[in-house]
Formats: sequence, structure tokens, C-alpha cells
Amino acid sequence: DAEITQSPRHKITETGRQVTLACHQTWNHNNMFWYRQDLGHGLRLIHYSYGVQDTNKGEVSDGYSVSRSNTEDLPLTLESAASSQTSVYFCASSDTSGGETQYFGPGTRLLVL
Amino acid sequence: QKEVEQNSGPLSVPEGAIASLNCTYSDRVSQSFFWYRQYSGKSPELIMSIYSNGDKEDGRFTAQLNKASQYVSLLIRDSQPSDSATYLCAVRNFNKFYFGSGTKLNVKP
Repeated sequence: DAEITQSPRHKITETGRQVTLACHQTWNHNNMFWYRQDLGHGLRLIHYSYGVQDTNKGEVSDGYSVSRSNTEDLPLTLESAASSQTSVYFCASSDTSGGETQYFGPGTRLLVL
Repeated sequence: QKEVEQNSGPLSVPEGAIASLNCTYSDRVSQSFFWYRQYSGKSPELIMSIYSNGDKEDGRFTAQLNKASQYVSLLIRDSQPSDSATYLCAVRNFNKFYFGSGTKLNVKP
């Protein structure tokens, strides 16, 4: 069965360190998204991609970067982790045709000390 | 102003009752509207989508859309304890999705 996975599921890091969160989908979807979820804010879009070599900034992109070298993967990098980036991170993907339904990964809980 | 607004709740209803969840959005050009359910510690899962004014029914769930008033609602009939979760409203504006902060629903046995 097609799925979307994220790793690691839990991560503790220190301020200033670079952190990369992995997202891998086997749906063969062109569209991939990264969100963060914090209490009181719902899901906020960090970055998104419509295909290989395409990346776009979302509403909370400062301090984050992504790259898309193949269809299946969209890793999210925190260049220099800050305590404000402690959150739950969700990756999602959707098909280009219609692009209506987003399928979410299980999430990564990140704690920045 | 947030793109999508929801009452955070919690909304408490007895088992078997109708639960009514509401959502308003700010951008009139929004094209598609979604309700996701999220259990504690889990990822969101899509339960309903609606694209045109009116009602759309799927089992115990009914989504209602009023574009003139810019609101979307979700009705859950015959609420069950297993429906206890946070319900996220989402709006698609071209290829971007905007989510509300969610309404927590408690269904009491």
C-alpha cells in the first residue's frame, strides 16, 4: 500500500544545531508540503513543492529550507535550530490532478533545548 | 485576520446527539473546503470535502458550505464516543491549503 513516512518520529536537539527531518511518500504524488502544528495555531505551512526541483515558501518559512531532488522525498532542514521551532512537524502529499486530498505522514515531534 | 477561524471548544455533546462544528474563512476566492479529524497524538485524516454551495452528506457526516457568508460547517449525527477528536477546517486557495486551529469535540457516553 502507498504511504507517507517521516523520520525520526521524535528528536531532541540543542539550539544552533542543524537538523533534517525526512519525508518519504510512495503515492507518486507531485505535490508535497511541510507543516508545523502548535497549540492555538493549527497547521501552518512551512514549505511546499509541486515537483522535482520546485520549492516554494509558505507562511512560516524563516529558518527552514527544503530541496526536492526526486518525486518521493522532501527533506526539511532547520539551518540553526531555535527553541521557537519546538513543534510537531507534519509532511503531506497530494496528487497534481485536482490536488484535493492531502495525505499526512505520522508527524515528527521536535524539541529544541 | 486568520485565513480560517474556528472555535477551539471544547464542544461537549452526549452520545447520540448531533454535533455542529463551524468554520469561517476570509478569502472569497477560496475554491475547496475540507474537514479533517485529528485524534490526540495522530496525524490529520480527511473526512469530508465540499466544493459548491449547499450540503454534502456522507454517512453520519454532513458538510455545509455557504460561500456568500464564507462559512463551512460539519454536522455529525448520532455522535459516538469514537468521534471525540479535534476537527480541523481547511480551505484551498489555488495550490495552498490553510487550516484552522481546530475544534475539540467531546462525545460523552
